[in-house]
Amino acid sequence: QVQLVESGGGLVKPGGSLRLSCAASGFRFSDYYMSWIRQAPGKGLEWLSYISGGGHFTIQADSVKGRFTISRDSAKNSLYLQMNTLISEDTAVYYCARGQGLADSWGQGTLVTVSS
Amino acid sequence: EIVMTQSPATLSVSPGERATLSCRASQSVSSNLAWYQQKPGQAPRLLIYDASTWATGIPARFSGSGSGTEFTLTISSLQSEDFAVYYCQQYNIWPYTFGQGTKLEIK
Repeated sequence: QVQLVESGGGLVKPGGSLRLSCAASGFRFSDYYMSWIRQAPGKGLEWLSYISGGGHFTIQADSVKGRFTISRDSAKNSLYLQMNTLISEDTAVYYCARGQGLADSWGQGTLVTVSS
Repeated sequence: EIVMTQSPATLSVSPGERATLSCRASQSVSSNLAWYQQKPGQAPRLLIYDASTWATGIPARFSGSGSGTEFTLTISSLQSEDFAVYYCQQYNIWPYTFGQGTKLEIK
């Protein structure tokens, strides 16, 4: 069955960086677009970015453009989110999800807290 | 950006009764609309896509309808496991956007 496992979250100071990873299994990873979606504490959902199966096309939300970069490594069946210049508003649970437009499978999420 | 507005914010319904949740888009999203269910401490789960198509493994008591700007999720006979937060989401135009959610609680 499809499994997505995020890692790399934690506490980081404003202006700092963090790299999230998502290990995928149970499906042919390179066949699928993949996405990052976040949820601030007690808030709704925000679709941040997605990447094509081959990794050649990416798109980011304006709120993270220029600061966050999505990437993937099909040899490792892994998805990544490099987060730079973090601000307090980036505090959230970050989910990796399979799909673009539709998120048909989700990981359990990893919490990122931006605080001094 | 397309704004998705869900109503009501909270819906109190008794088990076995019918629940109707609404979602409105600020501009047409055609039928590119999905519904998700989220329980406390869990990731969202896809229920419905293309406004009315069941995702894999979703019970038939969940149904979606609508197109354009007005959408509805109906749960025909509420089970205890259905009490959760429900989100609609459009995928017609980037950025894909979610509604703020409807919390379905036990009456």
